[in-house]
Order: sequence, then structure tokens, then C-alpha cells
Amino acid sequence: GQQLNQSPQSMFIQEGEDVSMNCTSSSIFNTWLWYKQDPGEGPVLLIALYKAGELTSNGRLTAQFGITRKDSFLNISASIPSDVGIYFCAGENSGGSNYKLTFGKGTLLTVNP
Amino acid sequence: DTGVSQNPRHKITKRGQNVTFRCDPISEHNRLYWYRQTLGQGPEFLTYFQNEAQLEKSRLLSDRFSAERPKGSFSTLEIQRTEQGDSAMYLCASSRQGAPANTFGSGTRLTVV
Repeated sequence: GQQLNQSPQSMFIQEGEDVSMNCTSSSIFNTWLWYKQDPGEGPVLLIALYKAGELTSNGRLTAQFGITRKDSFLNISASIPSDVGIYFCAGENSGGSNYKLTFGKGTLLTVNP
Repeated sequence: DTGVSQNPRHKITKRGQNVTFRCDPISEHNRLYWYRQTLGQGPEFLTYFQNEAQLEKSRLLSDRFSAERPKGSFSTLEIQRTEQGDSAMYLCASSRQGAPANTFGSGTRLTVV
């Protein structure tokens, strides 16, 4: 089946630093999504990308949909303690038939105040 | 918009017992998904409904699992004869026509002892 390779697995940074994480796939996706999950909660959507090459920002977060449609990255600028959590990339390539998502294994982010 | 609601939040059951979880999606969303998430992994797709029709099931969904969405609104996921390997977070998500981004509930944490 399809797999998304997400890296790094974990990151330990100081408050105020910038963070970058990425996701690659052997398959093409039509949509890339980035979610954040806090312990004991469901994933919350951060950014959705719908077009190859698209660069989208949401506050301190910036994400890009790779030109090859097989990769995406997420940047967080000026990290703060509440950025702590697990960040997941997810891809969708159903062509509109069902929108089921394939997830990476996540990047655990720890921010030291 | 009250979000996706899942009940119960936590369930502890003995091996061999049956359990049922409920999901109430966002009211205007006609698509509903069930995912399963184990420790250290991203959510994995289980099944998908469009209105009341169950249109796709993952091979992860064994014969002991059944999902329904009888009136195209709320959905239930039942696991019969639970096994320890069924211990996981069960996530429900919904989306509307033309919008790939799934909105997730807080999940039901199942522990089989």
C-alpha cells in the first residue's frame, strides 16, 4: 500500500527557533494536508495544499506542495511552547471519489522554554 | 458547527466482549470516515460512508468489525469478540463534498484487557 515517509521522527528545539519537517511518498497525491495532534486528542488540521507548487501560510506555519506531487514540507517559525505535539502529514489521491487520507508516522516536536 | 463528536472517550473491556462506539459528524458533512491509530503511528483508514452508504472498507477491517450509518447522520463502529490487538484509538472524521480535508473527532481510546 501507499506509504508516507515523514522526517524527522522527533525534534528538540529551543523556544524561538524555526522548525522544518517534510514528507515524501513513492506515489503521487492530489492533496497534501498537515495536522497537529495533542495527547489524547484527534488530529487538528493546520494547512491544506491542493495544487502542485502551492505555498500556503497560516500564521507562523508555512507549507509547500512539491512540484513532483510526491512531497511536502512544513515550516514553523519562531516556535513557542504551545507548538509542542505530534505533526502529521497526510496525502489524498482518490480523485474525488472518497477523500480517504494516508498518514505519515508523525514528527514529535518538543520546545524547551 | 459543534465539530465531530465521539462517545465514549475511553472504553476498557475484557477480551471477548463486544464494544460499540458512536460518532456524530459535522451536520452538513455527507462523508464520514473511521480510522484507527496505534501508539507511534499515524491514523490508518478503516472505512468510509457517503451519506448512508458504506462505500469502502480497508482490509484492516476484519469480520469482527462492523460499521453503520443508518440515516446518513451519526455512525456506529462495533467490534465483536474483542482481542488485545484491538487496543487503539478509534478516530472518526467527516468531510463535505468537494473538500478533501477530514475534520477529526477527539477519538475513543479502547483498551482490551
